[in-house]
Amino acid sequence: KQEVTQIPAALSVPEGENLVLNCSFTDSAIYNLQWFRQDPGKGLTSLLLIQSSQREQTSGRLNASLDKSSGRSTLYIAASQPGDSATYLCAVRNTGNQFYFGTGTSLTVIP
Amino acid sequence: EAGVAQSPRYKIIEKRQSVAFWCNPISGHATLYWYQQILGQGPKLLIQFQNNGVVDDSQLPKDRFSAERLKGVDSTLKIQPAKLEDSAVYLCASSLDRGGNTEAFFGQGTRLTVV
Repeated sequence: KQEVTQIPAALSVPEGENLVLNCSFTDSAIYNLQWFRQDPGKGLTSLLLIQSSQREQTSGRLNASLDKSSGRSTLYIAASQPGDSATYLCAVRNTGNQFYFGTGTSLTVIP
Repeated sequence: EAGVAQSPRYKIIEKRQSVAFWCNPISGHATLYWYQQILGQGPKLLIQFQNNGVVDDSQLPKDRFSAERLKGVDSTLKIQPAKLEDSAVYLCASSLDRGGNTEAFFGQGTRLTVV
């Protein structure tokens, strides 16, 4: 069964810093990996989706990379802002079409 | 394009009562998921539908939880009877799953409190 781990569980940074969130998974036979943002009491907002054949995806200040062979993905956030404060979740979709989530990284950007 | 709609947003019930949640996925999306998210944890898949057929319900507590997706569109998730440990946010998601488009979109969730 796929196991998805996110490190760190919580992160607090001053505004303007660049930061990296990590996601690792145990089964490299994945179809894609998706990063989500979750604000308190809200649903999940899709940020980036990386297909298994891709190495990275970029959207604005966000860049997600995927190293399938080592079972790792990173989400890079450039020039962090207080509005980036949220929980970030990665989810792996395996070739059997199931989605597995990590437990998330809670990010606080201090003004 | 309208997103995934869920109702109600909040529900408080007593243990042993029953409750139902409703989800309307994005139009045309073949795959529909129900997730349970307990506070401080990542979402856990309860059931996955492909059109109106069940793909995966291995983590659905079938003695008390049931779900259906009639006509391959809307879906309902029911809990009967509820237990205190069912307190969580129930998230519905959908994905197109056609032409290589597999991005999943989530609704706002239903926050269930069992007292």
